[in-house]
Amino acid sequence: GENVEQHPSTLSVQEGDSAVIKCTYSDSASNYFPWYKQELGKRPQLIIDIRSNVGEKKDQRIAVTLNKTAKHFSLHITETQPEDSAVYFCAASMVDTGFQKLVFGTGTRLLVSP
Amino acid sequence: IAGITQAPTSQILAAGRRMTLRCTQDMRHNAMYWYRQDLGLGLRLIHYSNTAGTTGKGEVPDGYSVSRANTDDFPLTLASAVPSQTSVYFCASRPTGKSRYGYTFGSGTRLTVV
Repeated sequence: GENVEQHPSTLSVQEGDSAVIKCTYSDSASNYFPWYKQELGKRPQLIIDIRSNVGEKKDQRIAVTLNKTAKHFSLHITETQPEDSAVYFCAASMVDTGFQKLVFGTGTRLLVSP
Repeated sequence: IAGITQAPTSQILAAGRRMTLRCTQDMRHNAMYWYRQDLGLGLRLIHYSNTAGTTGKGEVPDGYSVSRANTDDFPLTLASAVPSQTSVYFCASRPTGKSRYGYTFGSGTRLTVV
């Protein structure tokens, strides 16, 4: 089955700096890679996703890159702000008996200091 | 109801007791999932359902059961709770179809087994 590894587990940056979170996956058949943001006590919310036929996708200050050959993908946040502080989860899709499921990484706690 | 609703929000449960966590969505999503979230372990899939009348086991199904009598409801039952089932439980759903993979999460149930 699919295995997703996420690094780092914690990341502290100064406001205005960039933050990068990296994930690797094991199943070469995975074709969908979403990123979720979870604020303290809240539900995970989808912030950006990428499909395997695309190498990069941007949405304002966030971007995701995908390297299918190396089986890794990354989340990039530029010009970080205190409200970016949260736990971020990457995920990769896997298909089991024709049914798609997401396998999540273990999360990165991002702290943006003013 | 707007989106996906979980109940209760939190619960303290004596070990050995039976408990059902409720999940209801009004988006007519075919696919539904139950995840548990534990610190340092991310989100792990317990059970899933592709459509009403079908269910499947995820990564950590032991001690849990689910049913899917209709499209909207996907309850999770702990037949005899144990302390290791202390966790935050998230229900999620998504529309099926090749181009529509995004999950919508419920607000979670915080369960403490003592």
